[in-house]
Amino acid sequence: DVKVTQSSRYLVKRTGEKVFLECVQDMDHENMFWYRQDPGLGLRLIYFSYDVKMKEKGDIPEGYSVSREKKERFSLILESASTNQTSMYLCASFKAGANGELFFGEGSRLTVL
Amino acid sequence: KNQVEQSPQSLIILEGKNCTLQCNYTVSPFSNLRWYKQDTGRGPVSLTIMTFSENTKSNGRYTATLDADTKQSSLHITASQLSDSASYICVVRGQAGTALIFGKGTTLSVSS
Repeated sequence: DVKVTQSSRYLVKRTGEKVFLECVQDMDHENMFWYRQDPGLGLRLIYFSYDVKMKEKGDIPEGYSVSREKKERFSLILESASTNQTSMYLCASFKAGANGELFFGEGSRLTVL
Repeated sequence: KNQVEQSPQSLIILEGKNCTLQCNYTVSPFSNLRWYKQDTGRGPVSLTIMTFSENTKSNGRYTATLDADTKQSSLHITASQLSDSASYICVVRGQAGTALIFGKGTTLSVSS
């Protein structure tokens, strides 16, 4: 089975702190994604990566950055956390092909105080 | 603009009853549509995929339909169980590198 592991299920941080969310997948997928999920807004794409050291902005990249130094690992970085970044963060890897499928991690619920 | 609209936003049904969730999209050209189930506090998991040539596909008590002409899909749940309580998300993929377009989901609550 494909496994996407997010390092932290729950985090509480203070405004201005730097936050790292780590995501690891074990299926050698080239494409990886970071989404945030908020009530009434659904999943919104923050950043995605289609290869090592490659990254593309999604729909809401402001306030975030990413790092993909190894194929299996995709990190989301909040340089200076703000209260409006309190959310559920979901990492996904994508099995390419005509009927490609997203495989999601369990999510990281971040609270910024 | 490529959009995916799901209805209803939320739904409450009694255990054992059937229900149908709707997904309408404007994504064109169309490649496929997936339904994901997301349990509370968990990541979404794929239930089924519908491609252009498919009209109906079943996965246990879940039956998905697709009308590519009207750009509509439905997810029918038969004899609902408490474990069906979740959010159901419709995701449409266009052809040739088009981004995945997400609906906002339908939250289903099954009560005893």
